Amino acid sequence: QVQLVQSGAEVKKPGASVKVSCKASGYTFTDFYVHWVRQVPGQGLEWMGWVNPKNGVTNYAQKFQGRVSMTRDTSISTAYMELSRLRSDDTAVYYCARIYTYYDVLTSSYSDGLDMWGQGTMVTVSS
Amino acid sequence: EIALTQSPGTLSLSPGERATLSCRASQSVSSTYLAWYQQKPGQAPRLLIYGASTRATGIPDRFSGSGSGTDFTLTINRLEPEDFAVYYCQRYASSTYSFGQGTKLEIK
Repeated sequence: QVQLVQSGAEVKKPGASVKVSCKASGYTFTDFYVHWVRQVPGQGLEWMGWVNPKNGVTNYAQKFQGRVSMTRDTSISTAYMELSRLRSDDTAVYYCARIYTYYDVLTSSYSDGLDMWGQGTMVTVSS
Repeated sequence: EIALTQSPGTLSLSPGERATLSCRASQSVSSTYLAWYQQKPGQAPRLLIYGASTRATGIPDRFSGSGSGTDFTLTINRLEPEDFAVYYCQRYASSTYSFGQGTKLEIK
């Protein structure tokens, strides 16, 4: 079945970096962009960016520009999100998700949605 | 950047009632790129609606989405106990995505 399995929880000190992995299975990894979304405990969802597994092209939310790097290894169907210069307010659950593009024949239009999510990775930043 | 504002922040209803959740954009949003998600405690979000009004695979027909321009609505008819959760709208524009702050649907 289609699934995304993320790496385990991490505890990091302020100023350090963290790299979270997201392994895809059950579908052709290079056919769907992978997005990263985070959620600070008790708060809402925050979109971080995406990586195109086919060619490695990325697009990041302005808030994370210069601090985030999203990569992939197609040989093992795995996407990665690395966040550097960690601060305490980066403590959050980090999710990867696959974006699925739907085509409506009647209206000749495209729409999309994050149809498959990883289980989330808790990253705690604490001195 | 286009901001999404969801209302109400919390909605208290009883099973069997109808829930109406609002998502308002600060500028006009293409309805083809407006989605809704449900999130239960300790779980990843689940895609409910894409293209403002199309249910994702496996989503019961008591869930419906509507709207265009700046105003979008998620309606849940005949609330079931498992529907009590947090709901987020999401939009896409110019290669970036953003979420509303969420509406918590709680049991009255």
